[in-house]
Amino acid sequence: GEDVEQSLFLSVREGDSSVINCTYTDSSSTYLYWYKQEPGAGLQLLTYIFSNMDMKQDQRLTVLLNKKDKHLSLRIADTQTGDSAIYFCAESKTGTASKLTFGTGTRLQVTL
Amino acid sequence: GAVVSQHPSRVICKSGTSVKIECRSLDFQATTMFWYRQFPKQSLMLMATSNEGSKATYEQGVEKDKFLINHASLTLSTLTVTSAHPEDSSFYICSARAAGVDYGYTFGSGTRLTVV
Repeated sequence: GEDVEQSLFLSVREGDSSVINCTYTDSSSTYLYWYKQEPGAGLQLLTYIFSNMDMKQDQRLTVLLNKKDKHLSLRIADTQTGDSAIYFCAESKTGTASKLTFGTGTRLQVTL
Repeated sequence: GAVVSQHPSRVICKSGTSVKIECRSLDFQATTMFWYRQFPKQSLMLMATSNEGSKATYEQGVEKDKFLINHASLTLSTLTVTSAHPEDSSFYICSARAAGVDYGYTFGSGTRLTVV
């Protein structure tokens, strides 16, 4: 079955870059996602990447995918206090029956 | 963009009563909706997948008689927690996906259920 792992906690200073890592085991994963969850709230899709891509950039966010190593990362440039949240990576496959498999979540703490 | 509305955001109920949570796709037709449960400081656990007009598919270990899911229209799915007990207290989140789209999952804002 699918297994998606993340480190539990990351602390960075405001203005620095944050890099959140994720590893997955299923080589048939087609789509990989990063979601943000603030306390008591639902999940906000930050970005996603197709498995045939290596990199995707969207403003302060850069996603890198190493399909060979099944490693996904999210880099947040110029991290702000508003970026403090839990970040989940997730994967899904093709097909309308596909469901999301979430990672364990990384709590990002941004300090002044 | 796609919006999913989930209500209520917070509910407190007495043991033994039933609680209904609604999940609506506001600007798209959701042929598939997903219900998750999240314990404090943990990831999301998929409970069931519902397709419009058919019975929900439950994940292993989830009691279908306790967590009733109805997906009667393309914009509405409901989760009813029947005969709630304190151990059912949790954060429940729904997600919806539009027809013909493999990768577009939109999440509701979640419901905090407390059973006293």
